[in-house]
Amino acid sequence: DQQVKQNSPSLSVQEGRISILNCDYTNSMFDYFLWYKKYPAEGPTFLISISSIKDKNEDGRFTVFLNKSAKHLSLHIVPSQPGDSAVYFCAASAPYTGNQFYFGTGTSLTVIP
Amino acid sequence: EAGVVQSPRYKIIEKKQPVAFWCNPISGHNTLYWYRQNLGQGPELLIRYENEEAVDDSQLPKDRFSAERLKGVDSTLKIQPAELGDSAVYLCASSQEGTGGRLSPLHFGNGTRLTVT
Repeated sequence: DQQVKQNSPSLSVQEGRISILNCDYTNSMFDYFLWYKKYPAEGPTFLISISSIKDKNEDGRFTVFLNKSAKHLSLHIVPSQPGDSAVYFCAASAPYTGNQFYFGTGTSLTVIP
Repeated sequence: EAGVVQSPRYKIIEKKQPVAFWCNPISGHNTLYWYRQNLGQGPELLIRYENEEAVDDSQLPKDRFSAERLKGVDSTLKIQPAELGDSAVYLCASSQEGTGGRLSPLHFGNGTRLTVT
């Protein structure tokens, strides 16, 4: 049972424009969410996180939005750069579960120069 | 800060053969994870250690998979015997205790790509 879902396997965006990657979850107990970026032949790299006490967290060009009522989060990249081309995974964890992280299936972002 | 180190990077074996993967976590990280990532999927947890203790191994196929983390630092993951369906990338990650008991984000190694023929 996939508790974290990324329904868009791929996304293409023009350089300089905004990239929006979406993630949905089913477990209402999740209270901590992360985004990871993965280049080919490398392990996932932590990008940005958000706690359920917030609805937005910003770090440079990256902003994560959390909509708890919709069980939805999104990652915005503005402006998009060719180096952002990678697979992006969202992950979630719940308290009192040993901090097990559940990952989505990933969205492959291609930023076109 | 040195990252999570895994070896080997790639491994090709025939089915029914044994295979082992090694992981050295970030210094000071007491929690270590082994994940498996199949093609087109997200990482799935196999086992989690807190220091030397395996605190979550519910997803580890114990008939053929085993893991150990002696002295609470390095860890090895073993498969014996390997099956065709074990072909995947095996990722090791580590994290440290954060505020309020919340662990810090996972830091992943580059993984071992296993191909079973």
